[in-house]
Formats: sequence, structure tokens, C-alpha cells
Amino acid sequence: EAGVVQSPRYKIIEKKQPVAFWCNPISGHNTLYWYLQNLGQGPELLIRYENEEAVDDSQLPKDRFSAERLKGVDSTLKIQPAELGDSAVYLCASSLGKRTGGDETQYFGPGTRLLVL
Amino acid sequence: GENVEQHPSTLSVQEGDSAVIKCTYSDSASNYFPWYKQELGKRPQLIIDIRSNVGEKKDQRIAVTLNKTAKHFSLHITETQPEDSAVYFCAAADSWGKLQFGAGTQVVVTP
Repeated sequence: EAGVVQSPRYKIIEKKQPVAFWCNPISGHNTLYWYLQNLGQGPELLIRYENEEAVDDSQLPKDRFSAERLKGVDSTLKIQPAELGDSAVYLCASSLGKRTGGDETQYFGPGTRLLVL
Repeated sequence: GENVEQHPSTLSVQEGDSAVIKCTYSDSASNYFPWYKQELGKRPQLIIDIRSNVGEKKDQRIAVTLNKTAKHFSLHITETQPEDSAVYFCAAADSWGKLQFGAGTQVVVTP
């Protein structure tokens, strides 16, 4: 079974430029998550989708970050404009989405390492 | 919201010894506690998880214990090997189902 796929794996941009990350979850997984991981820290949730609906985006900096999951499968996370402090690893994860109560196993993609110069 | 604290931040053990990582959480409604292993530049990988209706779970050399009353859970790795060297993250799912991660423990196993 293929795991969570993300692209690109690495991205270097200049500040104020836009950038986009793409994620393809495990087949059949209804829930998709975007996390931010700073160096030496644990992942922090940015947004969670149940199918195509964003059910938790409280941690997403909406002035510059946006995300979409139009058909309930692939997802794109965008930053416009990027700032120096956005340099981090952006992780995508997915889970089945058929259980309630929050006790679902999340499977992570390899992440996109972003460097803003 | 949930707050997870993880200790120690770094752990050096000799090959063959045991390693223990401890986490505490704040939300008494949390009911799911996964542990992830992350090697340098790689994705976090689930190594074991425990749900609130269980006090202990074991998978070969790895075990996790949960004390809901005290709101803490621990990861135990026995007979450590060099390939166990990595960063380990604990996490807790709060009452909304949101995973809150600890800050991580860098484990170094020396031959």
C-alpha cells in the first residue's frame, strides 16, 4: 500500500514569494492533516479536513496561509507571501476518518522542507 | 486545549540497556496516545499507540504504559540497538480529536 505522498520534498524561495505544497493521502483515508514542524520540535497542526470540509483551521495563519481539498482527496497548502519565519518542514498526514472520539492512527508523509531566504 | 510535556529531551544509552521516555498531559478527556519515531530527515512513523481503556501495551522490545489518574504515559524500549537512535515524540488526542505532540526526545544508542 502506498503511503502519504508529498511534493516537492525541498523548496527554496525568496521572502515575499508564493509557495505551494501538495499532498496525496493514503487511498481511502477521509481525514487529512497539515502540520508544521520547526527544527527540534514536534509537529503542530495547521488544518484538518474531513473529506473536503476544513473542520479545524484554528491554527492556520489565514492572512498568508490557505489550503484546499476540493474533491476530498488531494490537498494543497499555500503560503503567500512567504516570510523568513516560515522556514520549516510541512508535513501532511491522513487517517481513515471512520472512527469518532479522536483515537485514529495518523500516517505521515515525508514532508516538504521549506527554506525562505 | 491539550498540553503535553515530554522528558527527557535527550537520552544516551548503551546498546543493550533500556530507555524510558515519559510524557504528561493536561486534558483528562484525552483518550488516545500514540508514539512516533522520527529519523533525521524522515517522516514520523508510528511505533506504538495506546487507547484509554488499556493500561499497558507491548510490541516486541517496545512497551507503553498509561496512568489515566496521574495523566502520564511512558515509552519503554528494552535491549536497545543502534537503529533505535532517533527522535521520539509522544502525543495525546484531546477531546476534539486533535493530536498534541510533545517536544521530542533525542535518543542516542552507543555501541
